[in-house]
Amino acid sequence: DSGVTQTPKHLITATGQRVTLRCSPRSGDLSVYWYQQSLDQGLQFLIHYYNGEERAKGNILERFSAQQFPDLHSELNLSSLELGDSALYFCASSELTGAEAFFGQGTRLTVV
Amino acid sequence: AQSVTQLDSQVPVFEEAPVELRCNYSSSVSVYLFWYVQYPNQGLQLLLKYLSGSTLVKGINGFEAEFNKSQTSFHLRKPSVHISDTAEYFCAVHGSGITGKLIFGQGTTLQVKP
Repeated sequence: DSGVTQTPKHLITATGQRVTLRCSPRSGDLSVYWYQQSLDQGLQFLIHYYNGEERAKGNILERFSAQQFPDLHSELNLSSLELGDSALYFCASSELTGAEAFFGQGTRLTVV
Repeated sequence: AQSVTQLDSQVPVFEEAPVELRCNYSSSVSVYLFWYVQYPNQGLQLLLKYLSGSTLVKGINGFEAEFNKSQTSFHLRKPSVHISDTAEYFCAVHGSGITGKLIFGQGTTLQVKP
């Protein structure tokens, strides 16, 4: 158990819909990262938050957004969903930027 | 910009045989390197990391890796694999700057056969 909790584990939704993925980092970790894993793109970095502030953006679509709340949990919002958004979405956390990252079990999103 | 290339997409090996999973990286700055393992339907688990110091890094489950700066490689090795090592293995480099984002290779599927 990495200590990082992601909910829900599975999500099936229709095209055009909006979903919210939730991540609770390990206790004390200030950094939260979101990654997308798909068969064609592999593991791609989406976005990094540190103590509530956005630190870096990767290949994140404009339809996607994220935030980190004062209690350090984070949410990834995906809107106007397309079939190609079907993937495994991972959250990871670390105590400090650059320290070892611990990954959650992921949320498997299926868009039908 | 950093990048990671895992040279083999699949590596089949018999149980108790040695294995090497190859990883090359590209970076213009000092690197932090990682190997993660992903078992079926699981998240990623850190096997080992190189931050600085000794170029031979030992990790969990009997794995080790050697950082070779001149060849820009960070190959993962295990002298004797078990069926339970069957999984996807990812090499990653730490992004530069103020973010700790990881840049991953495409992954290598290790299939251990009895």
